[in-house]
Amino acid sequence: QQQVKQSPQSLIVQKGGIPIINCAYENTAFDYFPWYQQFPGKGPALLIAIRPDVSEKKEGRFTISFNKSAKQFSLHIMDSQPGDSATYFCAATAGNQFYFGTGTSLTVIP
Amino acid sequence: GAVVSQHPSRVICKSGTSVKIECRSLDFQATTMFWYRQFPKKSLMLMATSNEGSKATYEQGVEKDKFLINHASLTLSTLTVTSAHPEDSSFYICSASSQGVFSDGYTFGSGTRLTVV
Repeated sequence: QQQVKQSPQSLIVQKGGIPIINCAYENTAFDYFPWYQQFPGKGPALLIAIRPDVSEKKEGRFTISFNKSAKQFSLHIMDSQPGDSATYFCAATAGNQFYFGTGTSLTVIP
Repeated sequence: GAVVSQHPSRVICKSGTSVKIECRSLDFQATTMFWYRQFPKKSLMLMATSNEGSKATYEQGVEKDKFLINHASLTLSTLTVTSAHPEDSSFYICSASSQGVFSDGYTFGSGTRLTVV
């Protein structure tokens, strides 16, 4: 059973566009929601994270929107660049429980 | 920030041999480390949780005798793939946290590409 559902599976945007990746969860015990960026052949790197008491968090060009009542959260990448082309994973954690989404392959076309 | 070093980054071995992968926390003590396996274009699959000084906890379906995990110190965990076979070829990734609680954030290693021929 997939604890964290992520969509879309892949996404192609033009440079400067704003790709949006969505995740949903069911377990209300989750208390930390990180996003990871992974380049081919590399391990995931923490991009940005949010806790459920906050509805939005922005770090540079990356923004997380969090809707606690809907149990959904999303990643927005402002002014996307070709260098942002990577696979993005959302995750949800509670204590020692950690669950990744299925990943979104993002391609930013110059 | 926290750095996790994973070595080797790539390894090719013959079928039937064993391969050891190291995961080191360079600037913090990691009470808990995690080992993942990732297939091409797929998400990370948790294999086991490794606690310093105790036996690792394996996820359902992961053969503990095949994937030996040792967490002998607060900065080092190793994964040994024993009697490797081509189906064990994959990308293996470790992660570590100093608190043992994900809410503090986990740092991932750069991964090891294992190819069994």
